[in-house]
Amino acid sequence: NAGVTQTPKFQVLKTGQSMTLQCAQDMNHEYMSWYRQDPGMGLRLIHYSVGAGITDQGEVPNGYNVSRSTTEDFPLRLLSAAPSQTSVYFCASSYSELQNSPLHFGNGTRLTVT
Amino acid sequence: GDSVTQMEGPVTLSEEAFLTINCTYTATGYPSLFWYVQYPGEGLQLLLKATKADDKGSNKGFEATYRKETTSFHLEKGSVQVSDSAVYFCALNAGGTSYGKLTFGQGTILTVHP
Repeated sequence: NAGVTQTPKFQVLKTGQSMTLQCAQDMNHEYMSWYRQDPGMGLRLIHYSVGAGITDQGEVPNGYNVSRSTTEDFPLRLLSAAPSQTSVYFCASSYSELQNSPLHFGNGTRLTVT
Repeated sequence: GDSVTQMEGPVTLSEEAFLTINCTYTATGYPSLFWYVQYPGEGLQLLLKATKADDKGSNKGFEATYRKETTSFHLEKGSVQVSDSAVYFCALNAGGTSYGKLTFGQGTILTVHP
């Protein structure tokens, strides 16, 4: 049981480049989300999905796209990378969006944009 | 809006010392409250949770009590170990239309010396 798997672990991009951060979970969770972690700011929600085919914006969605074609996968796309997107990105899932349902996190992707 | 405030870190303790990490929150309604722990190079793991007032969450010797009257959820452990060195995040899920979103505090770095 792998849980939540994120790839790659590390990535360096030049300003303007695009890339996709991959996230997959094998727990049959309906709810998936992406957070970014910045020093002194905790984690902030980028996008989330309550099920296949359904996505919505979180707190800081600008510059990012998501899609949810299957229950297992929830990729995050950076359309045109900017230095402000240098961060650690975490994918998380839970069995539902209900408030008592704890999140399970992947190990993160550390992204540097130069 | 919803917010979580944690005590400023970093916190440095000797092994077997008593630990308190303060957490207060602002939220409408009746949020669920969580403590997550992040070990170096890893994602966040759920440490404990409480879903209603006066509930006590506990795990691995850590405890936190949901205090609605003081809007607090302080984390405590009676005797810390070197292996407890990590970053600790307090978080809330406000429920309702928050759709699984967690609001995080900024995190508190704990270092325990032998």
